[in-house]
Amino acid sequence: AQKVTQAQTEISVVEKEDVTLDCVYETRDTTYYLFWYKQPPSGELVFLIRRNSFDEQNEISGRYSWNFQKSTSSFNFTITASQVVDSAVYFCALSEASETSGSRLTFGEGTQLTVNP
Amino acid sequence: KAGVTQTPRYLIKTRGQQVTLSCSPISGHRSVSWYQQTPGQGLQFLFEYFSETQRNKGNFPGRFSGRQFSNSRSEMNVSTLELGDSALYLCASSFLGKDTQYFGPGTRLTVL
Repeated sequence: AQKVTQAQTEISVVEKEDVTLDCVYETRDTTYYLFWYKQPPSGELVFLIRRNSFDEQNEISGRYSWNFQKSTSSFNFTITASQVVDSAVYFCALSEASETSGSRLTFGEGTQLTVNP
Repeated sequence: KAGVTQTPRYLIKTRGQQVTLSCSPISGHRSVSWYQQTPGQGLQFLFEYFSETQRNKGNFPGRFSGRQFSNSRSEMNVSTLELGDSALYLCASSFLGKDTQYFGPGTRLTVL
């Protein structure tokens, strides 16, 4: 069965600091997808990135970057020069490609990020 | 394009009652999935509907059910509510199911 672990329950930083959110996953499938979502206090999950298991290229989008390493089953997320608006709960999620899994997302426990001014 | 919409946003019910939540997916999306979020259990998958058929189901009791209509709108129903059913219920839509899921704002259900 698949599993996602986000060991950091809460992180607190001061504005402009860089912060990395860790995500470790387990799956028996060779084809799978990894996601990061942001959940602000309003509750809606906001999609940030989707990665498939064959694409290990790191990705950068503005102040956000993601480091995918299959060898360590990790998919870490870095925010550079954090801002107060980045404060939210961040979820890492896994979806397996097998037909039986459908679109099921398995989520980690989430990391509460607080960016202080 | 309009995003995923969920109604109602907030709901208060008492134990033993039943409740129906509604989700309208992004236009053109055929897959709708439902998730329950609680402080204790986190985000858990309830079920997925695709082309009016339940394609996948999580580990929830039979009190939780759903359906999907021909326009891809989906409803989920919880019968005989229990205190533990208090949660944020999130709906997500995607084009085919295996692609990116986009979430709605959720329905916050409180069972008294």
